[in-house]
Amino acid sequence: DIQMTQSPSSLSASVRDRVTITCRASQGISNYLAWYQQKPGKVPKLLIYGASTLQSGVPSRFSGSGSGTDFTLTITSLQPEDVATYYCQVYNTALTFGGGTRVEIK
Amino acid sequence: EVQLLESGGGLVQPGGSLRLSCAASGFTFSSFAMSWVRQAPGKGLEWVSAISGIDGDTFYADSVKGRFTVSRDNSKNTLYLQMDSLRDEDTAVYYCAKSRSGAVAASNYWGQGTLVTVSS
Repeated sequence: DIQMTQSPSSLSASVRDRVTITCRASQGISNYLAWYQQKPGKVPKLLIYGASTLQSGVPSRFSGSGSGTDFTLTITSLQPEDVATYYCQVYNTALTFGGGTRVEIK
Repeated sequence: EVQLLESGGGLVQPGGSLRLSCAASGFTFSSFAMSWVRQAPGKGLEWVSAISGIDGDTFYADSVKGRFTVSRDNSKNTLYLQMDSLRDEDTAVYYCAKSRSGAVAASNYWGQGTLVTVSS
């Protein structure tokens, strides 16, 4: 099975900082990669699919890139409402999640 | 408006069985793949199972293969997860999620979840 490795597992940044989260697949997955945001006590929310396509309604400060095995989620200007745990997910015959990255405000 | 409502969670002893349901509304249920995702207390998301909206193909995580069975009744707009031979480590909130397409894909809508507790 494909393994998804996220880094870092947690980070603390200041408001308006640029934040980057990485996700690495154990084998090539083309662009079958999604990113989700889960705020404390809430259900996950789809941010990006196809590695780089922004889901409708998601602020443009979120962006995704990558293909093959290495992917990134970038928040260009961190806002207080972005405090959450972020997960990557591969989707083909399995839908494995990465371990998550907890984002906090410094 | 898309709505997904899970039910069937509860307390069950190790080795026992439980069937979860997910009632869907607000979209053409038969046309979309559906998934089950779980989250143990204080832990990350773990994909459990998925079922295609195109041909009914089913997919399972290794951790539940042979113990869980996913199915759907398109006439009732309902997704199911039959869970047998339950273990302590199956304790989690179970979410049902709608795929963006008929094939297995990213999930753009999620239910609120139902809690399954496996304990003696």
